[in-house]
Amino acid sequence: GDSVTQMEGPVTLSEEAFLTINCTYTATGYPSLFWYVQYPGEGLQLLLKATKADDKGSNKGFEATYRKETTSFHLEKGSVQVSDSAVYFCALSEMAGANSKLTFGKGITLSVRP
Amino acid sequence: DAGITQSPRHKVTETGTPVTLRCHQTENHRYMYWYRQDPGHGLRLIHYSYGVKDTDKGEVSDGYSVSRSKTEDFLLTLESATSSQTSVYFCAIVDLGTYGYTFGSGTRLTVV
Repeated sequence: GDSVTQMEGPVTLSEEAFLTINCTYTATGYPSLFWYVQYPGEGLQLLLKATKADDKGSNKGFEATYRKETTSFHLEKGSVQVSDSAVYFCALSEMAGANSKLTFGKGITLSVRP
Repeated sequence: DAGITQSPRHKVTETGTPVTLRCHQTENHRYMYWYRQDPGHGLRLIHYSYGVKDTDKGEVSDGYSVSRSKTEDFLLTLESATSSQTSVYFCAIVDLGTYGYTFGSGTRLTVV
């Protein structure tokens, strides 16, 4: 079945540091890929998405490129802020009927120090 | 927000009692999902629905049942709550036309 693997955490960075969070996936078809963010005490918010190979999703300074050849969707940001402290989830969906469910990675906690 | 609400937001219940969580949407979407969130596990799918009276199991369905008698409501029932079901439960809907998933605010359930 489908699966998503995220790098182990937690991650602690200083403000303005470069961020990379690795995500790889296994899927039988051609999934859409997502990054969700969960701020402390809140629900999940869509951060960005990509629906086909070589697409780049971007939002709030974060970027991720759908790499079919390496089955990856790594999240990057050039300069993190304290307000980026949150839990980040990589997810995929086949987006087709009964396969429209989201499959999540385990999530990674990011803490940014001033 | 985007037309999806969960109730209750918090609940404490005793082991062995039945509990029902409610998810209500105003978007008229066909697909609805129940997930649980636990540290170190991310979000795991419990059950999902693809229409009125059409439901199916996810990866962690043991001990849970669901019902969908109306498009707008998707109920999750813990038939006899156990401490291992202490978790945060999220409901979600999806608009397949826009690839847009929307999550409810979650229900924090504690089984004592």
